[in-house]
Amino acid sequence: TQLLEQSPQFLSIQEGENLTVYCNSSSVFSSLQWYRQEPGEGPVLLVTVVTGGEVKKLKRLTFQFGDARKDSSLHITAAQPGDTGLYLCAGERNNAGNMLTFGGGTRLMVKP
Amino acid sequence: NAGVTQTPKFQVLKTGQSMTLQCAQDMNHEYMSWYRQDPGMGLRLIHYSVGAGITDQGEVPNGYNVSRSTTEDFPLRLLSAAPSQTSVYFCASSYSLGARGNTEAFFGQGTRLTVV
Repeated sequence: TQLLEQSPQFLSIQEGENLTVYCNSSSVFSSLQWYRQEPGEGPVLLVTVVTGGEVKKLKRLTFQFGDARKDSSLHITAAQPGDTGLYLCAGERNNAGNMLTFGGGTRLMVKP
Repeated sequence: NAGVTQTPKFQVLKTGQSMTLQCAQDMNHEYMSWYRQDPGMGLRLIHYSVGAGITDQGEVPNGYNVSRSTTEDFPLRLLSAAPSQTSVYFCASSYSLGARGNTEAFFGQGTRLTVV
């Protein structure tokens, strides 16, 4: 059982559709980070949320941190083929050197 | 702008062989870590280091050793490779913001390892 559960695991949508990816846990995190990974590359940070209830926007991407700092969501508006990739959430806890615990990832495909 | 450099990019080992995956960063980050990525499992922490001379175990440390003799380098050693260690390995570095936690993790491009 993973500490961070991401859903859905796979998502295939048409260009222009909206989608939401969820990242849930029973543990509290000091921060929650969202990464995007392209094939053959390492993950690259999209955003960090720190405060419970925090909402951050990055163009068409909206990230939210739950009030209790146990869960987060990523919403993409009007998805484009360039959004295709693996989206990973990662939680930071105040132990283990603040190393990251990752969710299982959501593989998104946006078809033109 | 090298960032985090991992070598090799690809490796095939026979069961029982040993090898070292190299990782170097040029950002003077004190924190370094090794993850393995398997399908549907995200990234799982193998070992990490909070500074030169200091290492600790992560979630899946068995079968791996690490050392941190310098700030820049953090090699991962497979002692006796097993098929279960077939995976993609990522090295990452970050620095501490003190009570505010760590910065984002900067990842290398990964090493794809196959054990036959």
